[in-house]
Order: sequence, then structure tokens, then C-alpha cells
Amino acid sequence: QQQVKQSPQSLIVQKGGISIINCAYENTAFDYFPWYQQFPGKGPALLIAIRPDVSEKKEGRFTISFNKSAKQFSLHIMDSQPGDSATYFCAASTDKLIFGTGTRLQVFP
Amino acid sequence: KAGVTQTPRYLIKTRGQQVTLSCSPISGHRSVSWYQQTPGQGLQFLFEYFSETQRNKGNFPGRFSGRQFSNSRSEMNVSTLELGDSALYLCASSLLGQGAYNEKLFFGSGTQLSVL
Repeated sequence: QQQVKQSPQSLIVQKGGISIINCAYENTAFDYFPWYQQFPGKGPALLIAIRPDVSEKKEGRFTISFNKSAKQFSLHIMDSQPGDSATYFCAASTDKLIFGTGTRLQVFP
Repeated sequence: KAGVTQTPRYLIKTRGQQVTLSCSPISGHRSVSWYQQTPGQGLQFLFEYFSETQRNKGNFPGRFSGRQFSNSRSEMNVSTLELGDSALYLCASSLLGQGAYNEKLFFGSGTQLSVL
């Protein structure tokens, strides 16, 4: 019940394309859903987050879509750039952050 | 403002030894959380300390322990090391602690532990 399932494990996208990463959860007590971005040799950094009372949140090229009834949420990266190449983690929280297993995104020019 | 600092950056130990990792949080942050990162497993929550008290704990054996000092600096100790303990250990600090509304975790770059 505490798991957050993330897919795909890896993703290759051409520059300018849309990157989509999906996550699913079981625990309906989760009330905070952030996405973290991690570059090689660095720790994860918060990218964007959403709460379950909102179905979508957009910050620049990054959008979270949230489907409370399906217990799913996804990250969309519009106009993907080579600089977006990183590992992305979804997470869910009540009193502690539970992370997905990560998606390695590679954006080729 | 300085970020989260973890030392050492790399460690090589042998099975059966013990190890201590250090984390200095962002100034003013009272919460320190520890995570274990391995390929394919993502980040696994170890524990959180807030104002020197362990506030939450993950599903790790008792060989994994931690503490927090009055200046909010934290240490994590792993005793009787096993090969499977090889991982990147990440420390994250936050102002109000996990569970606080929209609380943001700030991660350090981690300590890469290799157990031979």
C-alpha cells in the first residue's frame, strides 16, 4: 500500500518532443505528490508538485496531470530539451515521502 | 546559503565493518531525512530526525541507525556491513519536516558506499 509504481524505466525522446512519465499509487491517504529531477552526481531536486484537490498543474514546460479516481499521476515535459536529460522520480507523501523507482530520460538533438 | 553537505563523498568498506556517514543540513533547517538509493529500487526511506528526535523510520534492519545533534547535523551509522548495503546514501533537509504542508526536501549529493 505504501508503494508508488513508476513507468517507464527509461525513455528516449527527440528534441522538441513530449516526454511522459506515469505513476500509480494505492494509498488514498497520500496528500502530496511531488516530482524530483536528478542529474548524475547530484542529489534529487524538487521540480514540481501537486495536491489531490487539483487535476493539473503547469510550470513552464512541465505539467503534472492528476487523476484521483484512478490513483494515477503523470509528468509531461513539453518541447523536451537535451538539458532535460536526467532521472525523474515521482513521489507521494503523508508523513514521509515514498519515491517511485525512477525514469531515466534521454533527449537527443 | 550553503546547501546540504554530505561527507565523505565516497567510501569503500569490507563486509562486517561499520561505517558512519555525516550530513550538515541547510542553516535553519531542523529536519534531516536519510534515503538509500540503488539502481532499480529508487530511493528507500531510512529515517527522519527533527530537533534531535527520530520522528519516522522506514523498513530497514536495526543495523541502520542515526542521530541528530543540537546544531541539526546528523550522522547515520551502519554496523556489520553486508554486500547489499552498497548504495548511494542521500541526506535531505527541510525547514518544518516531512508531512508539513507542501514541504520541500533539499538533498545533498550523497555518499557512495561500496562494500567489498
